[in-house]
This record gives sequence, C-alpha cells and structure tokens, in this order.
Amino acid sequence: AQSVTQLDSQVPVFEEAPVELRCNYSSSVSVYLFWYVQYPNQGLQLLLKYLSGSTLVESINGFEAEFNKSQTSFHLRKPSVHISDTAEYFCAVSSGGYNKLIFGAGTRLAVHP
Amino acid sequence: NAGVTQTPKFRILKIGQSMTLQCTQDMNHNYMYWYRQDPGMGLKLIYYSVGAGITDKGEVPNGYNVSRSTTEDFPLRLELAAPSQTSVYFCASSRQGTGELFFGEGSRLTVL
Repeated sequence: AQSVTQLDSQVPVFEEAPVELRCNYSSSVSVYLFWYVQYPNQGLQLLLKYLSGSTLVESINGFEAEFNKSQTSFHLRKPSVHISDTAEYFCAVSSGGYNKLIFGAGTRLAVHP
Repeated sequence: NAGVTQTPKFRILKIGQSMTLQCTQDMNHNYMYWYRQDPGMGLKLIYYSVGAGITDKGEVPNGYNVSRSTTEDFPLRLELAAPSQTSVYFCASSRQGTGELFFGEGSRLTVL
C-alpha cells in the first residue's frame, strides 16, 4: 500500500530565510507526486507536481521540489520565504489510478517577521 | 468560472440526524471526490466517481453514501450522524490524465 510521511508537523521560520518541508513516500510502482497548499479557511490548491521527466519541478511563486527515487523523497524548498507563504502544505502521491491521491498529514509553515 | 462549489459551509447536526452535503463543478470534469480532513491526519478519501452513474469507495466510506446522476453534481449523504463524523469535508474534481485536483472551499460539520 502507498503512504506519505511528512516529517515535520510545524515549521517556524523568519521572513527571507530558506525553508525545506520534508516528504517521504512508499510505493512499489511508478508514482506521481504533488504538493498542495491550503491557506486559512480555504480549500487546497496545487503548488507543483511531478509526473515524469525532469526530477526538479518549480512553482510560479518560487517553490521547488526534487523527486529522489532512491531516497523515495519529494522535499519542498524555497530559498527565501515571505509572510504570505504562511499556510499548511500537503504532500500527496497518486494511488490506484483515476487521479486518486494519498495525502500526508500536512506541515504547517509559519513565517514570522 | 466558479470551479467547485460546496454547500453548506457550516452545519451543526445532532446525533442520529441525516443530511446531504452538496457539490457541483462547472469544469466538465469526469472525476469527482469527497475527502474529509481531520487535524493532524491530512485528507482521507471517502468516495470517488469516474463519471455519471459510477461511484466507488475510498479509504473511509463507512457512514456515508454518494450518487452521481450528472457530470456536474456529486452529493455526499450522511444517514445517521455520529460524533466521529465531525470534520471538514472537501469535494474535488479532476480531468482524466492530468493528476491535478481542484478543491471546493470545504464544509465544516459538527455532530453533537
């Protein structure tokens, strides 16, 4: 069975500092991997995805994630965070077709001035 | 473009009551899903549908029912509400082959 582990439940960081949110997955088959972001009182929004090709994927707002098959990881990074990045971030893996996703427990990123 | 719309946004139920959470999407997506979100647990798939008339169970289907009579609508029914069903419910839709889910804003349900 597939599963996703997000290694940190909360990550506090100061504005303009770098951040890494860690995600490990388990799967016996080829995977598609995703990061979703949830701002307060909103639904989830896709941040970035890995389906195939380049193992480094980027979002439009400066986040990037690298698919590492040997370490079964898909960590999310940003070199310099803003207050507006404060949100909960979910890592997810596709499971069983039909775009069904298995989500991790989430990491709450709190950016402080 | 409204995307995925859920109603109601908030609801309080008494134990044993029934209710339906409504979900509609205007993107002509084949696939639709219901997830529940509990603190520290992430999202768990309740039911999903790959087209009108076709539904299947997810990870946590007990206590819920769904139907899909049209492409646009995917209501979630709770027949006998229990405190364990207190949660935030999210409906989502997706186009075949893209891997991307579009989520509604959620429905917060409390069962007392």
